[in-house]
Amino acid sequence: GNSVTQMEGPVTLSEEAFLTINCTYTATGYPSLFWYVQYPGEGLQLLLKATKADDKGSNKGFEATYRKETTSFHLEKGSVQVSDSAVYFCALRRILTGNQFYFGTGTSLTVIP
Amino acid sequence: GAVVSQHPSRVICKSGTSVKIECRSLDFQATTMFWYRQFPKQSLMLMATSNEGSKATYEQGVEKDKFLINHASLTLSTLTVTSAHPEDSSFYICSAVPGGSAVNTQYFGPGTRLTVL
Repeated sequence: GNSVTQMEGPVTLSEEAFLTINCTYTATGYPSLFWYVQYPGEGLQLLLKATKADDKGSNKGFEATYRKETTSFHLEKGSVQVSDSAVYFCALRRILTGNQFYFGTGTSLTVIP
Repeated sequence: GAVVSQHPSRVICKSGTSVKIECRSLDFQATTMFWYRQFPKQSLMLMATSNEGSKATYEQGVEKDKFLINHASLTLSTLTVTSAHPEDSSFYICSAVPGGSAVNTQYFGPGTRLTVL
């Protein structure tokens, strides 16, 4: 089947620290991979995506590389800011299943000054 | 940017009553809207796909007679939880896809917390 596993939180970091949130997936075929972010009181927003192996998605200083060999799509940022405090969701979508998105459980990140 | 609202944000109801949740796209027309459900510390699970002017498509295991979806206009979809029971307590999230956009371009609402006593 299709599923996404991401590291459990909560994660607390000091400002300017390096961030990694692990995400691995199980899927048949070639899914598209996504990271969504949910700021307090708001809906999920697309942060970045990658549609094929070795693609790197990037946005707002965040990066994630689609690794087919390790079935991973880890989220990284070199220097986090207080404004990055949010919940991050990893997700996959298999084109052949139409609209089905599979989400991870979310990882809460708190950045302290 | 595109904004999707949900109303109410929180609702508490008695067992056996029905609850309606609205999902609105505020600054764009959405031909497709999705309804998700999220249990504590679990992932979002797609419940159904709602297309304007047609019947919703439900995911396997989701009771269509219990979770009624109406997508009556290009900016509004409603989810009605009929005869709610405590096990229906959850966080319900909708998303909307602007007309002509790929499904990847979905905008999420902030969610509705339903508590059934």
